[in-house]
Amino acid sequence: QVQLVQSGAEVKKPGSSVKVSCKASGDTFSSFGISWVRQAPGQGLEWMGEIIPMFGTTHYVENSQGRVTITADESSNTVYMELSSLRSEDTAVYYCARDLRDDHSSFNWFDPWGQGTLVIVSS
Amino acid sequence: DIQMTQSPSTLSASVGDRVTITCRASQSINTWLAWYQQKPGKAPNLLIYKASSLEGGVPSRFSGSGSGTEFTLTISGLQPDDFATYYCQEYNSYSRTFGQGTKVEIK
Repeated sequence: QVQLVQSGAEVKKPGSSVKVSCKASGDTFSSFGISWVRQAPGQGLEWMGEIIPMFGTTHYVENSQGRVTITADESSNTVYMELSSLRSEDTAVYYCARDLRDDHSSFNWFDPWGQGTLVIVSS
Repeated sequence: DIQMTQSPSTLSASVGDRVTITCRASQSINTWLAWYQQKPGKAPNLLIYKASSLEGGVPSRFSGSGSGTEFTLTISGLQPDDFATYYCQEYNSYSRTFGQGTKVEIK
């Protein structure tokens, strides 16, 4: 059974970057994709992007303006999400989640999820 | 982009009630829809995928239906543990868009 454990909360200044980690256990890491989804305070959920370590491929939400970078370290079963040029609107809980799809779907749903990492952007 | 609209935004109900939440897509998404439950301070938890397939370990009082543009999540016999926020998510498009959520409150 896959478990995802994320790094701890961060407080960052506007304009800086943050790198959040997500360590997977319980299954072959490279056999599935990992997505990042964020949730601003009191708001809904927004998919940010994914990595598929087996193929070394990444996909990002179309309005990310190149600020999101997702990488993977297969030796440690860890995925990283780096968000640059931080602004106050980036204050949110960031979740990693495993991608799941069936034989006929082009895209995926998410299960399980990490516990979430709160990132606060404040001067 | 596909827009996902849930209704109602908030629902007040009592233990034992049958509750229905609707999710509408701005264009057809076949049956590529998932439902999640989220409790305060916790990560979302998968309930249903492919519109009506119950995730393992999820109580059978949860059920999903629909195809195309209109979908429902039904809780038959609301339990105290079910008071939470519920989200739908389409996976017919690259953006994998979520609905805005439906909060189920105690009446």
